[in-house]
Amino acid sequence: NAGVTQTPKFQVLKTGQSMTLQCAQDMNHEYMSWYRQDPGMGLRLIHYSVGAGITDQGEVPNGYNVSRSTTEDFPLRLLSAAPSQTSVYFCASSRQEWNEQFFGPGTRLTVL
Amino acid sequence: DAKTTQPPSMDCAEGRAANLPCNHSTISGNEYVYWYRQIHSQGPQYIIHGLKNNETNEMASLIITEDRKSSTLILPHATLRDTAVYYCIVRVASNTGKLIFGQGTTLQVKP
Repeated sequence: NAGVTQTPKFQVLKTGQSMTLQCAQDMNHEYMSWYRQDPGMGLRLIHYSVGAGITDQGEVPNGYNVSRSTTEDFPLRLLSAAPSQTSVYFCASSRQEWNEQFFGPGTRLTVL
Repeated sequence: DAKTTQPPSMDCAEGRAANLPCNHSTISGNEYVYWYRQIHSQGPQYIIHGLKNNETNEMASLIITEDRKSSTLILPHATLRDTAVYYCIVRVASNTGKLIFGQGTTLQVKP
């Protein structure tokens, strides 16, 4: 199993550009989530999904959209990138929301 | 979810046991204690979790006090690869799945 994969590993955007961060898992996990980690801080939950077709907001959802059309994929869309969205983004998955979560390697995003 | 308190940093000699404390004095009866770690800039890695009994797996042991107000993560034979930030997280078993990461404890394993 590849586990949780994220692409790209690094990305530089200009303010106002849009892009999609990809996340996929091959463990047939129902629960998937997106976190961001800023320097010197813990991870903060952006959006999560308890199954295909179901998404909900986390702690810091503004400026981000998600969808869950399949069990395997959970892309995160930045609608209009801002410098405040410069961060490391981690995707995670688990069998159900109460099980231990597996994290991807992260995407390092810089918005100029 | 209850708040946790951890020391910001600790050192441990290679080959010795690393004992990482966590205080969670406001924990509720249905809240579990989870431990994750983050090595360098990688994604967090699940270590272990427990409710009230002590737990052990291939990575570590978790000791929870009888009143459940504190716990200790034990890495029995620390190696240089165990150098990481360790997060103690308290959460209800069936919630949004949200993990609240605090500042954690930076464990430095020294040769």
